[in-house]
Order: sequence, then C-alpha cells, then structure tokens
Amino acid sequence: ETGVTQTPRHLVMGMTNKKSLKCEQHLGHNAMYWYKQSAKKPLELMFVYNFKEQTENNSVPSRFSPECPNSSHLFLHLHTLQPEDSALYLCASSQVQGNYGYTFGSGTRLTVV
Amino acid sequence: QQQVKQSPQSLIVQKGGISIINCAYENTAFDYFPWYQQFPGKGPALLIAIRPDVSEKKEGRFTISFNKSAKQFSLHIMDSQPGDSATYFCAAIEGFGNEKLTFGTGTRLTIIP
Repeated sequence: ETGVTQTPRHLVMGMTNKKSLKCEQHLGHNAMYWYKQSAKKPLELMFVYNFKEQTENNSVPSRFSPECPNSSHLFLHLHTLQPEDSALYLCASSQVQGNYGYTFGSGTRLTVV
Repeated sequence: QQQVKQSPQSLIVQKGGISIINCAYENTAFDYFPWYQQFPGKGPALLIAIRPDVSEKKEGRFTISFNKSAKQFSLHIMDSQPGDSATYFCAAIEGFGNEKLTFGTGTRLTIIP
C-alpha cells in the first residue's frame, strides 16, 4: 500500500476510555504530523515529529499523547477525552527540507460520547 | 490570531463558470503558498502551489494568482466541473526546512449543472 494510511477510520469512545489512533506512511518521508480538523475551524496542528523526535507540541492537552517509534509510524494515544475533542484527526507526512509537499491520510473520525 | 484568512466560506458556481477563492496573509516571512483540495471522507490533497517570486502559476484548469505587495493570493478554477465540488484550503509555510503549514479556514465549493 502506498501513501499515508490511518486506522481506524471511525472511532466512538466514552470519556473514560483509552484508545489509540495509528498512522503509517510508505513514502520514505522523515517528518510526520497530527492535525485536528473541526467544523468551521482551520486545520489545527497538534504535533510534529522530525526524524522521530518531537519538535512541536502546539499546546495540546495532555489527554492526547503522541508516539513515534520510527519514521514510518505515528500514534496518537487518547485518554479521558471530552466531547469537544470530537473531530477528524488527520495524519500527514513530508520530507524535511524537501519540496514542501504534505501527504495526508484520510483521517480518523472520532466521536467522544 | 488567524494568520491566513480565506474567503468565501462557501461558493456555488454553475458548471463551466470560473470559481475564485481568495486568501490573505500577514506574515511576510511566508515563502510558499499551497492549495489543498479535500473531498468528503478524504484527507486534503495538494492541488497546486506557488512561491512569492512569481505572480501566477497555472496547471490545467487551476491557476494561482499572487500579489506580494497586497499579501493576497487566489485560486481560479476555469471551466468548473461538478467533480471540482470539494473543500479548498489555502495554506502558507515559512522558511526552508520549516515544515509547519498554516491553513486557511476552507471554502466549500459546489458546482451545479
């Protein structure tokens, strides 16, 4: 499979649950990102990993915990979320100091009940 | 503070017409301006991009016009087709090697027959 793959595509979780989102890129890129997409709001950058090191945490609440075990995989661990965290979570990858092209996955639609 | 302002929020254009989406920015350090196209259930995909040293870039029916002095850029879709119906995001990035994209709020484009 090519491109950026995100799983699951849809997730419904209670506020006391713990779940994880997974992202995998097959493009040989060395930077990976988590974005949050809510209705009528700009895409919000959450985390940036550059060569597996976290280089950006955009004031994201600690109930969101990213993990990047290698340059091809990115996780977002979720715990004790709030209903306002319901959104589309998008993963993207790019080649640092490359051609500025982002490749996005199809996202995980998260609903917190 | 929203660094990239996009308008309109939604746009309806007749098939064969010209669709125009506008963006404005404040940060003069931005040096790369991509446009992304997003279909329902999919992540954004890079459509076309421009650097501030040129005033226009054309790829097929899609054209970016860039006005550096006014700090504005726009996307023109010529001969708009129903398949162009999607949400369009302008974005900007600052500095080589800095991969953080700043997105506009998006424009939902609908092409009617």
